[in-house]
Amino acid sequence: EVQLVESGGGLVQPGGSLRLSCAASGFSFSTYWMHWVRQAPGKGLAWVSRINSDGSSTHYADSVRGRFTISRDNAKNTLYLQVNSVRAEDTAVYYCAREVRGTYYFDCWGQGTLVTVSS
Amino acid sequence: DIQMTQSPSTLSASVGDRVTITCRASQSISSWLAWYQQKPGKAPKVLIYKASSLESGVPSRFSGSGSGTEFTLTISSLQPDDFATYYCQQYNSYWTFGQGTKVEIK
Repeated sequence: EVQLVESGGGLVQPGGSLRLSCAASGFSFSTYWMHWVRQAPGKGLAWVSRINSDGSSTHYADSVRGRFTISRDNAKNTLYLQVNSVRAEDTAVYYCAREVRGTYYFDCWGQGTLVTVSS
Repeated sequence: DIQMTQSPSTLSASVGDRVTITCRASQSISSWLAWYQQKPGKAPKVLIYKASSLESGVPSRFSGSGSGTEFTLTISSLQPDDFATYYCQQYNSYWTFGQGTKVEIK
């Protein structure tokens, strides 16, 4: 069974840092591009970042560029999102998602991990 | 950046109704559009990709159409399990979601 399980969320103070993880199982993780998508409480979905299969190429939304870093460890089947210099507006559920090879849409999502930025 | 605008924001309907949701792109995205369903507290689930292709395992009452800048998601006969929020997503240039359409019980 294809599965994505996020962890690492929690309460963080403004200006602080956090590392989110997404453990993948049930598929050949190293051959898929992966994404992070977030959803603020009661709001819609917002794409955050994308990484290619070997980690050599990354892209970010303007709202997080320079503060967030996406990475992956294919030996551990794990995707990461390093979240630095957090702001109140970064409060959201963060989902990892798998991109269907060669098509660019997302066919598998994790259950999400909540990041709350508050003093 | 490509902006995606859905209408309506909320839709009240009854079981058995035909439901249509519209999504407009701020510039042409060809057919690079997906539709997702999300229920409260759950992750999104893909329904349609490439504007009109049904994802495996999704009931045939869901269909998508359109190209360029205007797209629709249609549910031919609304079922109790379909009350949820629906999002369009463009993937022509990076990835952008619409603001969502909540389908609620009338």
